[in-house]
Parts: sequence; structure tokens; C-alpha cells
Amino acid sequence: DTAVSQTPKYLVTQMGNDKSIKCEQNLGHDTMYWYKQDSKKFLKIMFSYNNKELIINETVPNRFSPKSPDKAHLNLHINSLELGDSAVYFCASSGRAGPGANVLTFGAGSRLTVL
Amino acid sequence: EDQVTQSPEALRLQEGESSSLNCSYTVSGLRGLFWYRQDPGKGPEFLFTLYSAGEEKEKERLKATLTKKESFLHITAPKPEDSATYLCAVQAWDSGYALNFGKGTSLLVTP
Repeated sequence: DTAVSQTPKYLVTQMGNDKSIKCEQNLGHDTMYWYKQDSKKFLKIMFSYNNKELIINETVPNRFSPKSPDKAHLNLHINSLELGDSAVYFCASSGRAGPGANVLTFGAGSRLTVL
Repeated sequence: EDQVTQSPEALRLQEGESSSLNCSYTVSGLRGLFWYRQDPGKGPEFLFTLYSAGEEKEKERLKATLTKKESFLHITAPKPEDSATYLCAVQAWDSGYALNFGKGTSLLVTP
């Protein structure tokens, strides 16, 4: 009964490759996010989607492309991977009503290592 | 630009030794201030939301307080299982619902 699930949990790949990370939430939330946590553990917002519409797109290289096929899914595709892309990527979701409104629930993270 | 600064970066306590973590913030319009706990290899886990200056919330050995410029997370008589990184974040009215995080305080409680 995982609330926010990400796959894969670990991803090791070569520079220049293209990879995707998938995220699904079963909380009925209407907003989903991608965060990047670097080696110093700093969590930084990358994207936010509300009802499949892009709301926030922070200063992120256009090699990163989020895709939201429906409210429950937000996938992250990364083209031409670089060494600096190595990090842990967290998906999160939030709802606007009911108990816990506006509270972000995070997935367990996907650790990307670029060699 | 919203800024969140947490101190100290790291804190080591003996079991039972109470202390406080600080989170200073500047934000254009505060919707809410959030505290999360993160264990190694896991995602952040929600602890508290505070919405207005003077508000306090408690959960077991943790108590969070809020002023117009900072928030404190007080840990009373900590246990080794309280060891984790504690993250503070602000949610601004003009940021959608995204959270802007500080760099965290890494807490180690030794027996």
C-alpha cells in the first residue's frame, strides 16, 4: 500500500545515455513534484505538475523532461546524461483538501549514478 | 528569493540531553513552514506544519515553534532512534505548493 512509489530505486549508467524514472501515487493527490538531492543532501525542487499541467519548472537543463500521463503519474526522462546528474531524485505529491492538505508525501528516492 | 537556513549543520547529543534545532527563513508570503525527518536511504517523512507566528505543535519528544523569522525544533530527552536529518522547508503563497528546503541538521543521539 505504498503511497508514492518510484522505480527504479537504483540506476547506474554511462555518460551520454538516456534514462527514465517513473513515479506513481495512490493518494488521490492532484499535484506531483520532482526534487533532486545532491551529494550534500540539499533537496531542490525541479518540477511541479498540477492535474497534468506544468506549474513549476526551476532552472533545470532542458535535457530533463517531465511527463505526466495522468494525475497519478509523473515520470522524469533525462537525455544525454552527465556526471553532474548523479544524485538522488525524489518524487512527491500533495493534495489540496482534507487532512494533510498541502503536505508533500515523498517517495523513497531513485539513486542515479552516472559513470 | 525565498531562503531557508538551518543550524547547526550537525549535532551530536547524549541520550536524554535536550536541545534545539534552528531554522531561519525569509519568504515573500508564508503559506506554511514544514519540518521533515529523513533517515539514510529514505525519503523525507512529514513531522509538522506551522502556519502563523506563535503556533506550536508537539509529537512525542519533538516540539516545533514558529516566529516571524525563524522556527525551532525542540528535542526533549532524545533517544538514539531520534537520530536522523531534520529538514525545514517553507511553502510560499506564490510558489504553488512546492517546498523550499534548508540544508538540514544531521542529528546523532548516542546511548
